Amino acid sequence: EAGVTQSPTHLIKTRGQQVTLRCSPISGHTSVYWYQQALGLGLQFLLWYDEGEERNRGNFPPRFSGRQFPNYSSELNVNALELEDSALYLCASSLEGVGWDQPQHFGDGTRLSIL
Amino acid sequence: SQQGEEDPQALSIQEGENATMNCSYKTSINNLQWYRQNSGRGLVHLILIRSNEREKHSGRLRVTLDTSKKSSSLLITASRAADTASYFCATVGPHGRALTFGSGTRLQVQP
Repeated sequence: EAGVTQSPTHLIKTRGQQVTLRCSPISGHTSVYWYQQALGLGLQFLLWYDEGEERNRGNFPPRFSGRQFPNYSSELNVNALELEDSALYLCASSLEGVGWDQPQHFGDGTRLSIL
Repeated sequence: SQQGEEDPQALSIQEGENATMNCSYKTSINNLQWYRQNSGRGLVHLILIRSNEREKHSGRLRVTLDTSKKSSSLLITASRAADTASYFCATVGPHGRALTFGSGTRLQVQP
């Protein structure tokens, strides 16, 4: 079974540019989560999508947005890039069902560097 | 924001020794999960303990949960060099089913 895949693996952008990161969940998983892991700030929740809808978002400005497609893959878009957006962006997927005991399965992330 | 703190922040031990990491959290929980992250890679789910459980084992891993103290510990027995990684505890909430992570413990196992 293929795991969560993310693309690209590395990306270099300059301030003010826009970027799109992509994530394919494990087959059969309907929920996709995005997290940011920035140096010194730890792992922070960004966005949660399930069945094509945004279910919740973390404490990030509106220039962080995304969507989930009918095949459950997802995109994370970041506009007007700032230096502090430099981070590892991790995508995770999970089964959704009764109860809260589904672990999340992570991809290896996209390393975004802002110059 | 982080759910809580993990301690120690860093731990260096010899192969064969046991490693214990502690995690504290702030809110009531349904479950607590532990994840491992190898350098620059994604997180790997290790173990989940429900709020009504006190202890759980998986191979060389032992997790305890004390909901009265809002704390958990992860014990890795007979550590190996391959256990070198960062370890995070995580709880669900406050953003629905998204995870809130602790600050992590960096474990170095010397061969």
